[in-house]
Amino acid sequence: GQNIDQPTEMTATEGAIVQINCTYQTSGFNGLFWYQQHAGEAPTFLSYNVLDGLEEKGRFSSFLSRSKGYSYLLLKELQMKDSASYLCAVAHTGGFKTIFGAGTRLFVKA
Amino acid sequence: DTGVSQNPRHKITKRGQNVTFRCDPISEHNRLYWYRQTLGQGPEFLTYFQNEAQLEKSRLLSDRFSAERPKGSFSTLEIQRTEQGDSAMYLCASSSNTGVGYNEQFFGPGTRLTVL
Repeated sequence: GQNIDQPTEMTATEGAIVQINCTYQTSGFNGLFWYQQHAGEAPTFLSYNVLDGLEEKGRFSSFLSRSKGYSYLLLKELQMKDSASYLCAVAHTGGFKTIFGAGTRLFVKA
Repeated sequence: DTGVSQNPRHKITKRGQNVTFRCDPISEHNRLYWYRQTLGQGPEFLTYFQNEAQLEKSRLLSDRFSAERPKGSFSTLEIQRTEQGDSAMYLCASSSNTGVGYNEQFFGPGTRLTVL
């Protein structure tokens, strides 16, 4: 089977750092995505990890541990516009069928 | 590059009617995906094309759902005999299998279906 777990909601303060965790159980793993989705809009790509380790891209970083089935998205210097849902998604081998988690709604407060 | 486009953006239909949605992917992308998303949930995989070949289809998809990509460019998703449970946002995404960032899926704005 396949399962992706991430917290339903998180709240953080503007300027702070927040870490959104994702655990997954799946077969045929071919990489892990993080997407951002503002209310009423389509998801937009943030990161893709296929190897273990941390990848940094501006204020956003993503970490993957394949042996632990674990990833996190780290957001630094939070801004109000970062209030959105953050979707963890796993790509399968052979066809890139992508399974999404339910998403973590992040609220950034002043 | 005008991005992924979907039409219509909104569709209201009565239960039992058939509906068809269209997706135009980014022109050089050979992979195309259809997802369904309901409120508070992540996108749910429906089907995937590489060029014109439909390579994978979710077991969750009933026989009422069919998708095509006849020339490997645009795709259509048809729902026959719609049910109220089909009400959702239908998202299309495309990606390339070569080049930098080749796994990144670009999403269209979606078609919101309401079945009365």
